[in-house]
Amino acid sequence: GESVGLHLPTLSVQEGDNSIINCAYSNSASDYFIWYKQESGKGPQFIIDIRSNMDKRQGQRVTVLLNKTVKHLSLQIAATQPGDSAVYFCAEAPYGTYKYIFGTGTRLKVLA
Amino acid sequence: GAGVSQSPRYKVAKRGQDVALRCDPISGHVSLFWYQQALGQGPEFLTYFQNEAQLDKSGLPSDRFFAERPEGSVSTLKIQRTQQEDSAVYLCASSSTGNPYEQYFGPGTRLTVT
Repeated sequence: GESVGLHLPTLSVQEGDNSIINCAYSNSASDYFIWYKQESGKGPQFIIDIRSNMDKRQGQRVTVLLNKTVKHLSLQIAATQPGDSAVYFCAEAPYGTYKYIFGTGTRLKVLA
Repeated sequence: GAGVSQSPRYKVAKRGQDVALRCDPISGHVSLFWYQQALGQGPEFLTYFQNEAQLDKSGLPSDRFFAERPEGSVSTLKIQRTQQEDSAVYLCASSSTGNPYEQYFGPGTRLTVT
């Protein structure tokens, strides 16, 4: 299948360590933010979302942090596993719309 | 249950040919989105349907691109007179009325224009 993220920034982490993936978003009027995971040859897969009235949201092994002051979003993955290896995209939806504006993506490599 | 499906998975077209890409959303999902993803980049919004109504087509790059969803379920993205810059993966996503933001993506159709 096709390769996703040939020229994307790469984060390499040891298996079992925590991963932090960062994203700067563009629109201060964005109301909703979401992280997607994309494996090669597949469509993006939902990980976690957060609304603009929240600073932090936790899921299973994942946490999203939102800093509206500096328009920054981060995804924390606890105890990173080989299956977490993929390209991760943040996306924002401006208020009143459902269309996503995706960031450039980060490739996560998990080292055994 | 079944997720979003797209067909064909791969399409090779000669420059100038017309192509039609199909999306079958998750059953019952009222919202349907098309995105274009160039190699090594994030998806870019093309158009959005709520049932059969096309509510936003601001992302369609030219009038060669046309999308329809006549019965509010299956959607077709048509590209006329394809050009090399149309080569990309075309992703379809659907979402429910319960959470329209939580979009479920299909595997995409990889279009290569030669």
